Amino acid sequence: KAGVTQTPRYLIKTRGQQVTLSCSPISGHRSVSWYQQTPGQGLQFLFEYFSETQRNKGNFPGRFSGRQFSNSRSEMNVSTLELGDSALYLCASSLETRTAEQYFGPGTRLTVT
Amino acid sequence: KNQVEQSPQSLIILEGKNCTLQCNYTVSPFSNLRWYKQDTGRGPVSLTIMTFSENTKSNGRYTATLDADTKQSSLHITASQLSDSASYICVVIASGGSYIPTFGRGTSLIVHP
Repeated sequence: KAGVTQTPRYLIKTRGQQVTLSCSPISGHRSVSWYQQTPGQGLQFLFEYFSETQRNKGNFPGRFSGRQFSNSRSEMNVSTLELGDSALYLCASSLETRTAEQYFGPGTRLTVT
Repeated sequence: KNQVEQSPQSLIILEGKNCTLQCNYTVSPFSNLRWYKQDTGRGPVSLTIMTFSENTKSNGRYTATLDADTKQSSLHITASQLSDSASYICVVIASGGSYIPTFGRGTSLIVHP
């Protein structure tokens, strides 16, 4: 069974631009969660989607948004990029969210200059 | 405020030795606690998931313990190998309401030959 895939793996953007990251979950998984990882803050929860609905959201500004499609693939968008948005963005998929094992993708390394 | 504290922040051991990593949390109400291993530049990989009623869970050379009364968990690594060099992250999931995972900052383990 193929693992979680994320595209692109690396991205360089300029402050003020927007960016869209993509995540394809493991086949059959309906829950996709997104996380931001930085050296300063560690791992932080962004949001979680289940069957195309955002069920939970972390404490991030509205510039961070996402969506999930009917095939469970998910995208996250960051608008008006700031230098502090430079991070590793990870997505994880699972059968359901609270108790099932989550499988992480390799992440997208975003650098904002 | 929900918090997860891990110690030590970093640890250096010799190959073949055992080590124990600590995780203290204040998350309430408690649903489950997870340990992840994250190699540099990669997504986290699940090691164990423990619910309230589980005291010990093993995954090969990794053994996690949970004391829900004192809100403490430990991850014991037996007969360490060079490939164990990684960051180990403790995550606590609250029950009820929203799914908002609380992450520890991780313990960086280096295994020397």
